[in-house]
Amino acid sequence: AQSVSQHNHHVILSEAASLELGCNYSYGGTVNLFWYVQYPGQHLQLLLKYFSGDPLVKGIKGFEAEFIKSKFSFNLRKPSVQWSDTAEYFCAVNARGYNKLIFGAGTRLAVHP
Amino acid sequence: SAVISQKPSRDICQRGTSLTIQCQVDSQVTMMFWYRQQPGQSLTLIATANQGSEATYESGFVIDKFPISRPNLTFSTLTVSNMSPEDSSIYLCSVELGIGNIQYFGAGTRLSVL
Repeated sequence: AQSVSQHNHHVILSEAASLELGCNYSYGGTVNLFWYVQYPGQHLQLLLKYFSGDPLVKGIKGFEAEFIKSKFSFNLRKPSVQWSDTAEYFCAVNARGYNKLIFGAGTRLAVHP
Repeated sequence: SAVISQKPSRDICQRGTSLTIQCQVDSQVTMMFWYRQQPGQSLTLIATANQGSEATYESGFVIDKFPISRPNLTFSTLTVSNMSPEDSSIYLCSVELGIGNIQYFGAGTRLSVL
């Protein structure tokens, strides 16, 4: 069965610090990969996605993620976080051609000014 | 993307009662999904609702507890039946749009059962 692991449940950073959130999945076939973000009091929003091609994908608000197939990873990065990045971040995976999304447990990021 | 409206946004219910949650989309979509997010946990898929067919439930979820309707391509309801405190969660609907099976989510319904 597919599963998604997010290694950091809580991350606290100061503004301008660099961010990397880990995401690993278990599935032997071809996958689509997603990062969603949930800002306080708001609904889940798509941050970025990977389907195929360049394994380094760029999303909104300066976020990027790198797909490393050999490591079954899709880590999220941002070189310099802002206070407004305070949110919960979810990694999600679905098997190519299937619509069932499997979510990781989420990472709560708090950015202090 | 799509605009997805859920009603109610929150509710407090008594044990043994039922609550129906509505999900309205501003465009026609084939696939709609219902998720549960229990306190401090991630999202878990309850069922997939296609218009014109019975909903498909995930392991651990049954139709008697979570009946779903999908009367047309823009609307769905999820009922949480015979509620207990363990049903206290956020319930979210989502729709699938475009290539790559991208899902877009509503704001959720925060349910508390006393």
